[in-house]
Amino acid sequence: EVQLLESGGGLVRPGGSLRLSCAASGFNFNTDAMSWVRQAPGKGLEWVSTISYNGDGTHYADSVKGRFTISRDNSMNTLYLQMNSLRAEDSAIYYCAREFDFDYWGQGTLVTVSS
Amino acid sequence: DIVMTQTPLSSPVTLGQPASISCRSSESLVHSNGNTYLSWLQQRPGQPPRLLIYKISNRFSGVPDRFSGSGAGTDFTLHISRVEAEDVGVYYCMQATQFPRSFGQGTKLEIK
Repeated sequence: EVQLLESGGGLVRPGGSLRLSCAASGFNFNTDAMSWVRQAPGKGLEWVSTISYNGDGTHYADSVKGRFTISRDNSMNTLYLQMNSLRAEDSAIYYCAREFDFDYWGQGTLVTVSS
Repeated sequence: DIVMTQTPLSSPVTLGQPASISCRSSESLVHSNGNTYLSWLQQRPGQPPRLLIYKISNRFSGVPDRFSGSGAGTDFTLHISRVEAEDVGVYYCMQATQFPRSFGQGTKLEIK
């Protein structure tokens, strides 16, 4: 059974940092590109970032470029999102999902940026 | 950037009746590898998104056959043949042909 389990969310002050993790199981993690998608309270889905199967290629939404870094550890079957210089508008549930069909999603982890 | 536009944004439907949601992309979604990465997602209240349809018309594992997808190029449609109570939620189209990935605004399906 495919499982994606996000963790690392929480309450952080503006300007602070958080590192999200997504633990994958049930599929060959090291052969699949992965993405982060977020959803602000009451809003729609927003793509954040994608990383290639081996980590060599990364892409970011303009809204997070230069502040967020996506990475992965294929030996640990884990995807990461390092979030720096956080702003109130980054508050959202963050989901990891498998590319390209976005066939599997985690349950999400809530990030709240507030003073 | 590719913009995904869904219509309608709200769809009140009678149980047992059909429903459809349209999605238009601002550019062709045909990838250089020949695939069209257009997916339909369902999000029930309080739940993460769930894949229903991928590559325009392929039903994902476990998805009831009352859901189907059609279209090509820039115009796509999700069809529900007979709406059931469990279909209530928000439906999104999305494209993974180009970066940045993009989603439609979402269509809220509710029962009349």
